[in-house]
Amino acid sequence: GAGVSQTPSNKVTEKGKYVELRCDPISGHTALYWYRQSLGQGPEFLIYFQGTGAADDSGLPNDRFFAVRPEGSVSTLKIQRTERGDSAVYLCASSRDRNTEAFFGQGTRLTVV
Amino acid sequence: GENVEQHPSTLSVQEGDSAVIKCTYSDSASNYFPWYKQELGKRPQLIIDIRSNVGEKKDQRIAVTLNKTAKHFSLHITETQPEDSAVYFCAASITHNNNDMRFGAGTRLTVKP
Repeated sequence: GAGVSQTPSNKVTEKGKYVELRCDPISGHTALYWYRQSLGQGPEFLIYFQGTGAADDSGLPNDRFFAVRPEGSVSTLKIQRTERGDSAVYLCASSRDRNTEAFFGQGTRLTVV
Repeated sequence: GENVEQHPSTLSVQEGDSAVIKCTYSDSASNYFPWYKQELGKRPQLIIDIRSNVGEKKDQRIAVTLNKTAKHFSLHITETQPEDSAVYFCAASITHNNNDMRFGAGTRLTVKP
């Protein structure tokens, strides 16, 4: 596609529910990243995929957060038992490899009520 | 880990004036410093970057300077235009790898016509 696509653009969920956020990277980009951007803050790294494998998940805040990229293209960020503190914009980015320019999606705004 | 601080958090200038945004970092091993521009409701986009082997880099109206001794780097925008209005994020990375980037909290720049 023309750019990184994220769906949904907005998601409102109740505390305790499970949510999935989807990222469609630029075709041919082997590296994919998830970031979380809280209000008034810069993007905070969560996890990085090289191909199908999670090469660095050191940014995931706890075991309620999980991400997959089963075919090395589309990725899904999964959040279990959501909490109000999970409310943020979740950004996905992709790049040809991990030291070339990363292109961001427009993000999914998650609101936990 | 790396800690990046960014100042000011908001900046308002008159069209045609210059704008300067400053960042400091904590890890002396950091050697790659990108700047991102995020317009309201849009995705972050890389506008300029600098590596530690140079002290200054310029691209038309924007420039970035780096002082490795003091561990700070700055973004300079000259002849500002209303379309420069956005949130600007600095970042620092040790390995040049995107999963290694740590972002500042952002500066909201408003250019008044």
